[in-house]
Amino acid sequence: EVQLVQSGAEVKKPGESLKISCKGSGYSFTSYWIGWVRQMPGKGLEWMGIIYPGDSDTRYSPSFQGQVTISADKSISTAYLQWSSLKASDTAMYYCARIAAADTEHIDYWGQGTLVTVSS
Amino acid sequence: QSVLTQPPSVSGAPGQRVTISCTGSSSNIGAGYDVHWYQQLPGTAPKLLIYGNSNRPSGVPDRFSGSKSGTSASLAITGLQAEDEADYYCQSYDSSLSGSSVFGTGTKVTVL
Repeated sequence: EVQLVQSGAEVKKPGESLKISCKGSGYSFTSYWIGWVRQMPGKGLEWMGIIYPGDSDTRYSPSFQGQVTISADKSISTAYLQWSSLKASDTAMYYCARIAAADTEHIDYWGQGTLVTVSS
Repeated sequence: QSVLTQPPSVSGAPGQRVTISCTGSSSNIGAGYDVHWYQQLPGTAPKLLIYGNSNRPSGVPDRFSGSKSGTSASLAITGLQAEDEADYYCQSYDSSLSGSSVFGTGTKVTVL
């Protein structure tokens, strides 16, 4: 069974750093792209970027380029999303997701989400 | 602001048919890129409903169907049921965004 299990909820202060994780299981982790999606409170889905764990090829949406870093450790089948200096506007639910096919980029499996709250 | 526009809300009585539009442009849907649809029930992660414009994953009822024409796509729900009340999002690839996928603005479906 394909599963993406994300790390738990985080409460941080503005300016702090953070790295959240997404562990894949039940499939070949290095053979599928992993994407990250943001959902701010009461708002829609936003595509942040994707990574191919096989070679760490990473592509960011222009809105998130330079704002976050996406990485992966294929030895432990885990992808990461990190911030070096959080802002209150980073408060959101973050989902990791498996990209079913590289040519269409549709998502067939989603993680349960990690809620990040940034507040002073 | 997303480059894929959806109506904020649609509603229908149980048993009725509703459609949700997803309007794009020549750099995304109109360029021939596939459209996919997701359902997000309250408090849960999204779920894939339609991929490749009109394909249903295993387990998705055939009440859900997708189509695409020109620079737009549509999701139709026939025989509307109470459990269909959710948010729905389209997704496609956009060549004007340095090669990035994008989600639609989202549509809330209310079952009256």
